[in-house]
Amino acid sequence: AQSVAQPEDQVNVAEGNPLTVKCTYSVSGNPYLFWYVQYPNRGLQFLLKYITGDNLVKGSYGFEAEFNKSQTSFHLKKPSALVSDSALYFCAVRDPANLGGYQKVTFGTGTKLQVIP
Amino acid sequence: EAGVVQSPRYKIIEKKQPVAFWCNPISGHNTLYWYLQNLGQGPELLIRYENEEAVDDSQLPKDRFSAERLKGVDSTLKIQPAELGDSAVYLCASSLVYSTSTDTQYFGPGTRLTVL
Repeated sequence: AQSVAQPEDQVNVAEGNPLTVKCTYSVSGNPYLFWYVQYPNRGLQFLLKYITGDNLVKGSYGFEAEFNKSQTSFHLKKPSALVSDSALYFCAVRDPANLGGYQKVTFGTGTKLQVIP
Repeated sequence: EAGVVQSPRYKIIEKKQPVAFWCNPISGHNTLYWYLQNLGQGPELLIRYENEEAVDDSQLPKDRFSAERLKGVDSTLKIQPAELGDSAVYLCASSLVYSTSTDTQYFGPGTRLTVL
């Protein structure tokens, strides 16, 4: 069964500093990986995805994520955090090799990012 | 381009009452999803439609939950009767085509249900 783990419930970072939000996954094949952001009282917004190719994926709002197959990780990063980046971040995985499971997308439990002015 | 539209945004009901949520996906998106999101948790899939066909409803509590997507466009999720534990945010999402790698899901703002 596929799964995704976000080991940190909350990450605090000072404005202007680099930020990292961690995600690890478990699938039987090569994963499709996603990051979404959720602002208060809003739905999830797509940030970026990894399907294949370059391990460094660039997304919206200056975010990027690095796929590391050996460590089964897909950490979200940004070189310089903004106060407006404060939100809830969700990592998600889909296993395209899971032919019998409708290839559903499994979401992590979320990491709250707090950027301190 | 308009995003996924959901209504109502908030709903407060007494337990044992019925409730319905409505979703209109992004125009042209064949696949529609209903998710349940409890506080502090990630979304959990309830049901997925491809056009008007429910192709994955394994997580839908069928004794009280029902959904429909007539004409393969907008969709309604119903709970009857509601229980206290149903208090959560119900998210609707849509994607263009499920079977390809380009199936990024786009989410609506959700309906926050409170059952008293």
